[in-house]
Amino acid sequence: DAKTTQPPSMDCAEGRAANLPCNHSTISGNEYVYWYRQIHSQGPQYIIHGLKNNETNEMASLIITEDRKSSTLILPHATLRDTAVYYCIVGRSGSARQLTFGSGTQLTVLP
Amino acid sequence: DTGVSQDPRHKITKRGQNVTFRCDPISEHNRLYWYRQTLGQGPEFLTYFQNEAQLEKSRLLSDRFSAERPKGSFSTLEIQRTEQGDSAMYLCASSFGSDRGAFFGQGTRLTVV
Repeated sequence: DAKTTQPPSMDCAEGRAANLPCNHSTISGNEYVYWYRQIHSQGPQYIIHGLKNNETNEMASLIITEDRKSSTLILPHATLRDTAVYYCIVGRSGSARQLTFGSGTQLTVLP
Repeated sequence: DTGVSQDPRHKITKRGQNVTFRCDPISEHNRLYWYRQTLGQGPEFLTYFQNEAQLEKSRLLSDRFSAERPKGSFSTLEIQRTEQGDSAMYLCASSFGSDRGAFFGQGTRLTVV
């Protein structure tokens, strides 16, 4: 599976959009981009995933560049409860769904 | 609550003892995964079941680790002859289908003293 690169930490003001970048320059054609987050002392929580097209759900939006070498997770109106470590993961469709978590981005939402 | 359930939430054991953890996945999910997470690191994949078949176990950390899912529903992870280095959070996740996100439980925190 391709590796990902994320900034180790980011801050965001409450109520503002949080834009979390991820580089995955070695992604292959059948690999999806997944985003999870982990609030302290809890299990990871699935947020969203996509292949090529931008995706949106009730939690977030995922913007994938046309060359698929990078993506951005957008939390449109960050709240204090969004403070967590956010993991960007690239994984193959149809294979064993083991997810290779990196170190993630610690997002801190500030009041 | 119909999420992934893990038991116990915390376990303290003496070095050399065996421990077993249980995971109850979301009921309609056919895939079940075990991960381990040490402090400050992301979760690390251990093994994976589709129904009762264990399809990937090469990432189990040693032959002291084993997992079962006998009826394709709940699963157990056993660690024999525990060592201090086994201290970690053990996470279970489940999913339905190959392309959907996995849903994680709250984990079992193991401390080996």
